Amino acid sequence: ELKVEQNPLFLSMQEGKNYTIYCNYSTTSDRLYWYRQDPGKSLESLFVLLSNGAVKQEGRLMASLDTKARLSTLHITAAVHDLSATYFCAVDMRDTGNQFYFGTGTSLTVIP
Amino acid sequence: ETGVTQTPRHLVMGMTNKKSLKCEQHLGHNAMYWYKQSAKKPLELMFVYSLEERVENNSVPSRFSPECPNSSHLFLHLHTLQPEDSALYLCASSQGLAGEQFFGPGTRLTVL
Repeated sequence: ELKVEQNPLFLSMQEGKNYTIYCNYSTTSDRLYWYRQDPGKSLESLFVLLSNGAVKQEGRLMASLDTKARLSTLHITAAVHDLSATYFCAVDMRDTGNQFYFGTGTSLTVIP
Repeated sequence: ETGVTQTPRHLVMGMTNKKSLKCEQHLGHNAMYWYKQSAKKPLELMFVYSLEERVENNSVPSRFSPECPNSSHLFLHLHTLQPEDSALYLCASSQGLAGEQFFGPGTRLTVL
């Protein structure tokens, strides 16, 4: 079974700082998603990465995908309090008849 | 209504009750999903329906019974649940089984 590991699981950072969340997965896939979840809320799609080397940016967040390393990163630039949430990566194996595998999530708290 | 809606948003039930969760998607998609989100665990895929046919059933106990009467509606019928079934149940939809998934707000279920 595919394993998707996120690192770190918990992250507390000060406003204005930069940090990277890592998502490692155990088998070949070139489709990866990043989601944000606020407490008690559903998942909001942030990025869809569909090929090796894909890089997407939205505001203070930038996501990248390295399919050879089986690694995706979510980089946070100059964090603000509004970014506090839990971030999930998900590896899409549906094209091989398998499913959608979520990581354990990274709980981010941005401290003013 | 837009996107994916779920009702009820919160549900408390005893172990002998029978209840149903409802999901409706307003996106014109043809695939729908049920996920379970428990504390400190990755999201778990429970069921997948494509064109109203069930295509995935991940060894979910029979006390959970899905129903997809048409491509816009998905139900999860619950009976004789256990306290460990308490979780956030998320519905999602996509266009085709390879399309991006859009999630509903979830139903927070508590089994007493």
